Amino acid sequence: QKEVEQDPGPLSVPEGAIVSLNCTYSNSAFQYFMWYRQYSRKGPELLMYTYSSGNKEDGRFTAQVDKSSKYISLFIRDSQPSDSATYLCASNSGGYNKLIFGAGTRLAVHP
Amino acid sequence: GAVVSQHPSWVICKSGTSVKIECRSLDFQATTMFWYRQFPKQSLMLMATSNEGSKATYEQGVEKDKFLINHASLTLSTLTVTSAHPEDSSFYICSARGTSGTGRETQYFGPGTRLLVL
Repeated sequence: QKEVEQDPGPLSVPEGAIVSLNCTYSNSAFQYFMWYRQYSRKGPELLMYTYSSGNKEDGRFTAQVDKSSKYISLFIRDSQPSDSATYLCASNSGGYNKLIFGAGTRLAVHP
Repeated sequence: GAVVSQHPSWVICKSGTSVKIECRSLDFQATTMFWYRQFPKQSLMLMATSNEGSKATYEQGVEKDKFLINHASLTLSTLTVTSAHPEDSSFYICSARGTSGTGRETQYFGPGTRLLVL
């Protein structure tokens, strides 16, 4: 079993839709959770960073962590064609431990 | 957020030659840098972790003699692909651990280097 599982998609939605991207993880020691966005042929860029359980909102993006079910979510409101990218979730237990990435979900938002 | 640069952004070389890729943290000091490889439509595969001034730690299955990593300073790490072969063609991405504007330490990625070995 991979430590971080993520459905690779692809996920196709119309412009304006609410997008829900999800990951599960198996390591109870994970405390830090990130979402990265990667456009084609580019390096990943950090979108959201959360510590422990709870919600974090930044503009149209909301990251949610439920440690009881080991579930990580990213919601995108009013999705735009420019949101079309691959979204990677990542976790680690903090300190100098390496980040464990999900497989990435490819999202396409069509006009 | 913190900025990480990579050079070159793309390189084409002949089989058997060596290629060096540079990774720099531009506005922060990175005690730890990571090198990843990514094949088309696949996720990031961690190759090695390097700490400034010490030897890199390679992931299982990654040949340390083929992928030489040097982390000579707090802002520069290099990956050298020695005797490159067509199967080494991939997208190589470096990452540096640094502190964001919120004061939290996290990982920032470079833009990647596309390597094509003919």
